[in-house]
Amino acid sequence: EPEVTQTPSHQVTQMGQEVILRCVPISNHLYFYWYRQILGQKVEFLVSFYNNEISEKSEIFDDQFSVERPDGSNFTLKIRSTKLEDSAMYFCASSEGSYSNQPQHFGDGTRLSIL
Amino acid sequence: AQTVTQSQPEMSVQEAETVTLSCTYDTSESDYYLFWYKQPPSRQMILVIRQEAYKQQNATENRFSVNFQKAAKSFSLKISDSQLGDAAMYFCAYSSQASGSRLTFGEGTQLTVNP
Repeated sequence: EPEVTQTPSHQVTQMGQEVILRCVPISNHLYFYWYRQILGQKVEFLVSFYNNEISEKSEIFDDQFSVERPDGSNFTLKIRSTKLEDSAMYFCASSEGSYSNQPQHFGDGTRLSIL
Repeated sequence: AQTVTQSQPEMSVQEAETVTLSCTYDTSESDYYLFWYKQPPSRQMILVIRQEAYKQQNATENRFSVNFQKAAKSFSLKISDSQLGDAAMYFCAYSSQASGSRLTFGEGTQLTVNP
């Protein structure tokens, strides 16, 4: 069964550095998402992406964050200048359509640790 | 804003027994979808079951079924004939077209299955 894949599984970065988290969505999916989960807290929506544009973003997704689909397969989340509070598990997801009944398929996540 | 609450951080069940995981939500919308996702240790979140709010009939998927009480805004997951492979973190989630198809998650319930 096709899967969403995320790399790396664990990223350790110094505070203030830029980090790029990578995701390969399921090939025929058109909608892409990033969520994050700070340790001990709920999984939170960050951003959704369709047709090379951000469809929706949460209040968490400020100017430090950006997303991109640089080629036909990868979907990336960039954090420009990382802060300690960016330490979290980041999940990528994809879905075939945008209707809210369309299941979102998740990757294994990238654990981001900011030192 | 919509909120999802899972009041049971941990649950345990004996193999072959039945367990029910609780979820409540708050929304002013009438058209929405509810999901249960399962996250085994170090693995991706997998959709277990989904329920359309406009459907009165409770969704079932093999050993998994829900008790959807729309008026009470309750959406519990029942796992029958529990198996060792059911051990995982279970997340309840909400989505609607009005909220842009983002998933809003509960805190999660860690399910242990005892042999």
